[in-house]
Amino acid sequence: KAGVTQTPRYLIKTRGQQVTLSCSPISGHRSVSWYQQTPGQGLQFLFEYFSETQRNKGNFPGRFSGRQFSNSRSEMNVSTLELGDSALYLCASSLFASQGQDELFFGEGSRLTVL
Amino acid sequence: KNQVEQSPQSLIILEGKNCTLQCNYTVSPFSNLRWYKQDTGRGPVSLTIMTFSENTKSNGRYTATLDADTKQSSLHITASQLSDSASYICVVSPLTGGGNKLTFGTGTQLKVEL
Repeated sequence: KAGVTQTPRYLIKTRGQQVTLSCSPISGHRSVSWYQQTPGQGLQFLFEYFSETQRNKGNFPGRFSGRQFSNSRSEMNVSTLELGDSALYLCASSLFASQGQDELFFGEGSRLTVL
Repeated sequence: KNQVEQSPQSLIILEGKNCTLQCNYTVSPFSNLRWYKQDTGRGPVSLTIMTFSENTKSNGRYTATLDADTKQSSLHITASQLSDSASYICVVSPLTGGGNKLTFGTGTQLKVEL
């Protein structure tokens, strides 16, 4: 059974640009959540999607957005990139979004460097 | 303020030795508490998930304990191996708010040496 797949694995952008990251969940999983990981702040919740609907959102500016498609694949977009957006962006999938009781399966992440 | 605090921040032990990592949380009420292992450059992998009513959960050489009264959890690693070198992250899932809006600790970096 294939795991969670994130693309691209590495990317470099410059300030002001925008970036789109992709996440394919484990087959049959309907919930996809996104997290930002930085050395200073650790892992922080960005947002969660279930059946194409955003279920929860973390405390990030509107430059961070996402969506989920009918096949449960998800994308997140960051516009007007800032140096502080440099981070490892992790995607995780689970069967449902039932009060966070499901086991989460993480992808390997997309490492974004903003110059 | 981070609602999940972990200690120590880093730890070096010799192969074969045991160690215990600590997690204090203020997230309340919570649905469950999890421990993840994250190898460098990889995504986190779940070790244990405990609901508020559970006191202990084991996964091989990993044993997690939970004291909901004192809001403390620990992860005990027995007979450490070189492959245990990783970051160990304590995660709390709040009862309200729902979904996978988890609160993460900043992790304990464990290094196991020969």
